[in-house]
Amino acid sequence: DQQVKQNSPSLSVQEGRISILNCDYTNSMFDYFLWYKKYPAEGPTFLISISSIKDKNEDGRFTVFLNKSAKHLSLHIVPSQPGDSAVYFCAARETSGSRLTFGEGTQLTVNP
Amino acid sequence: EPEVTQTPSHQVTQMGQEVILRCVPISNHLYFYWYRQILGQKVEFLVSFYNNEISEKSEIFDDQFSVERPDGSNFTLKIRSTKLEDSAMYFCASSEIGRGFNSPLHFGNGTRLTVT
Repeated sequence: DQQVKQNSPSLSVQEGRISILNCDYTNSMFDYFLWYKKYPAEGPTFLISISSIKDKNEDGRFTVFLNKSAKHLSLHIVPSQPGDSAVYFCAARETSGSRLTFGEGTQLTVNP
Repeated sequence: EPEVTQTPSHQVTQMGQEVILRCVPISNHLYFYWYRQILGQKVEFLVSFYNNEISEKSEIFDDQFSVERPDGSNFTLKIRSTKLEDSAMYFCASSEIGRGFNSPLHFGNGTRLTVT
């Protein structure tokens, strides 16, 4: 199942800088997109979402951008903090569906 | 902040045995879900549940799996005859609303199932 793909398994940034995590999808029926953060031994924690009628959604340090024509979304974290170090998953849901399809995840490491 | 709770955190069972994984969703949520993550693989959808019936299920969710909401607070996943390949982290989730509406899922911390 390659409908949602995160091509970067890992990303390392310096504290205070911007982290950009990317996600691509192939299913044009996806209309709701979410980002989750996961620490070891914990479940995914919801961060931010965006519906397909928008191209940007912002919540504090987190901003999600959606480019429907490119079937691409990204999560910007600014400024990055060491506590942001975790695995980040993007997920997508089809119109009228209930299941989320997840990407592989990207391990973000923020160095002090 | 309300959270989804799952028990046990780790379950070890022998192949062929039945297991029941338990979850208490967030109290005002109406949609409930089970997902699993096999080590090194993606998080995969198993089933969604609404109004006391299955709303959607994946091809993984075969006759060996069943879900139940036995009372007003618990939501369970039963695997009738476990196989080695059922070893995974199983996550329960809930959302305020579901199919067709933009409501994020909130996940529990998971139950690690080990089948020997």
